[in-house]
Amino acid sequence: DAKTTQPPSMDCAEGRAANLPCNHSTISGNEYVYWYRQIHSQGPQYIIHGLKNNETNEMASLIITEDRKSSTLILPHATLRDTAVYYCIVNRGSSNTGKLIFGQGTTLQVKP
Amino acid sequence: SAVISQKPSRDICQRGTSLTIQCQVDSQVTMMFWYRQQPGQSLTLIATANQGSEATYESGFVIDKFPISRPNLTFSTLTVSNMSPEDSSIYLCSVTQTSGTDTQYFGPGTRLTVL
Repeated sequence: DAKTTQPPSMDCAEGRAANLPCNHSTISGNEYVYWYRQIHSQGPQYIIHGLKNNETNEMASLIITEDRKSSTLILPHATLRDTAVYYCIVNRGSSNTGKLIFGQGTTLQVKP
Repeated sequence: SAVISQKPSRDICQRGTSLTIQCQVDSQVTMMFWYRQQPGQSLTLIATANQGSEATYESGFVIDKFPISRPNLTFSTLTVSNMSPEDSSIYLCSVTQTSGTDTQYFGPGTRLTVL
């Protein structure tokens, strides 16, 4: 599975959009981009995933570049409860062996 | 998504003892996994729990240290054997559902401290 690169930390003002980048330049054609977050040592929470089209759900939007080498997770109106470690993971989806490889993620601090 | 519970939620154990962690899901799932998160670190996959057969372990993890059972489609246990302080971690189970998506969902974790 491809590796990902994320900035170690980011700040965001409450109420503003949080844009979290992820580089996955070695991604292959059958690999999905998944985003999870972990709030204060709780179990990771699934946020969203996509293959090549942009995706949106009630939590966030996922923007994947046309060459699929990078993506951005967007939290449209960040709140204090969005403070967490955000993990970008590349995985093979339907042929998944189950092996989610977690990097160090991005620690997002939402400030009042 | 499936509701996943783990027991115990936390424990403090003595060196040399063993602890069994339970993972219960409220619906049948395809795959179950066990992860470890050491203090200040990210998650690492320990093994895939296979129903009715031996678990599949990742490099660096062995059955004698982390025996795993999965008797049915909703339940699994992980035992941490002959514990040392280095085993102090959060242990998490995760599942993928039979509904067709391969998204993994995680339990709340078990925080283990070994003295």
